[in-house]
Amino acid sequence: DTGVSQDPRHKITKRGQNVTFRCDPISEHNRLYWYRQTLGQGPEFLTYFQNEAQLEKSRLLSDRFSAERPKGSFSTLEIQRTEQGDSAMYLCASSWTGGDTDTQYFGPGTRLTVL
Amino acid sequence: GQSLEQPSEVTAVEGAIVQINCTYQTSGFYGLSWYQQHDGGAPTFLSYNALDGLEETGRFSSFLSRSDSYGYLLLQELQMKDSASYFCAVRDLNKFYFGSGTKLNVKP
Repeated sequence: DTGVSQDPRHKITKRGQNVTFRCDPISEHNRLYWYRQTLGQGPEFLTYFQNEAQLEKSRLLSDRFSAERPKGSFSTLEIQRTEQGDSAMYLCASSWTGGDTDTQYFGPGTRLTVL
Repeated sequence: GQSLEQPSEVTAVEGAIVQINCTYQTSGFYGLSWYQQHDGGAPTFLSYNALDGLEETGRFSSFLSRSDSYGYLLLQELQMKDSASYFCAVRDLNKFYFGSGTKLNVKP
């Protein structure tokens, strides 16, 4: 299967701890997105990479959130000093600039629970 | 600010046609997309409109009117497997804004 993969699928942590999630996009895709989704809501945009460049970052992302895509392939999302309000599903998606339909392919997500 | 409005829930019977509306207000607009998400699953792409008009893909069609900041998703010949949440999403250059979703319940 060559779809978008995310690791881990589930993460339980205590408030104040740091967590890091990984996303592996579809190999030929140069665009990568991170979203956060809470129950009953749509995905909430966090950040966007084109290749290794982070071109957009939502102001919803506080200083505790950071994302990297060091070689334009996989990406990591780190949350420092987690808070209970960070509990959500974190989704990664990828796409490629050659498409004309803006299709984003989503991974299965990482469900974060902060105790 | 950015806002996308869509009905929270719609119920229809198998074999029927249902339309899910989306109105949006964003600072920029590059296109309107629709995604389907089953409970516990990831969103999957359904359709995209960058220009006014109707796009048809099998049983699904999507319409856009940029002057009205309005679009809709039309699902025909409803099947039980179409029971899911449907999200409209606006692309604003490098940002994407999703609506809060419409839960479609298909009944036999």
